[in-house]
Amino acid sequence: DVVLTQTPPTSSATIGQSVSISCRSSQSLLDSDGNTYLYWYLQRPSQSPQLLIYLVSKLGSGVPNRFSGSGSGTDFTLKISGVEAEDLGVYYCVQGTHDPWTFGGGTKLELK
Amino acid sequence: QVQLKESGPGLVQPSQTLSLTCTVSGFSLTSNSVHWVRQPPGKGLEWVGAIWSGGSTDYNSALKSRLSISRDTSKSQVFLKMNSLQTEDTAIYFCTRMYTLGWYFDFWGPGTMVTVSS
Repeated sequence: DVVLTQTPPTSSATIGQSVSISCRSSQSLLDSDGNTYLYWYLQRPSQSPQLLIYLVSKLGSGVPNRFSGSGSGTDFTLKISGVEAEDLGVYYCVQGTHDPWTFGGGTKLELK
Repeated sequence: QVQLKESGPGLVQPSQTLSLTCTVSGFSLTSNSVHWVRQPPGKGLEWVGAIWSGGSTDYNSALKSRLSISRDTSKSQVFLKMNSLQTEDTAIYFCTRMYTLGWYFDFWGPGTMVTVSS
């Protein structure tokens, strides 16, 4: 199975600060169809995950544009440009290129 | 609007069988796949398996020997059955819809907590 390694495991930020989260895959996530099936989700406390980014860099519906995704192959990054209080929670990268779907271990974003 | 909701027993004894139901509304099971994802308390997310719009299924290889996913399209329900439950199966179980055009999970149920304990 593809292993997704997220760093850091915990990030502390002040409101307005920019934050980056890394997701490294044990295999290339570039599919033979030319797509890279790498996603980012946010899970707020006691809530279900919600989509932020799909196909590496496409913004999900209704997601603020302070969120952005980048990367290729095995290395991917989620950036939050100006953290807001509602951004606190655990961020997961997810891959769907290889069966089975796998999730990263999560990055908890806390207020400093 | 699109909604999913999980239901199940809450508490299951070790070695017994877990049966969960995901009831959906706002879309057809013949148009979108539904997946199960679980989360042990305080831990990360694990993909469990899926039933595709055509009725075929896929399972996490680590769970495949114990797992079955089926559906009743007339009732808009998806079923998960997992046998030989152990304490490590204790988790919140979510069902989620896959948005076909973007190949991502767009709507999720609130989840149902399953505790495996005697």
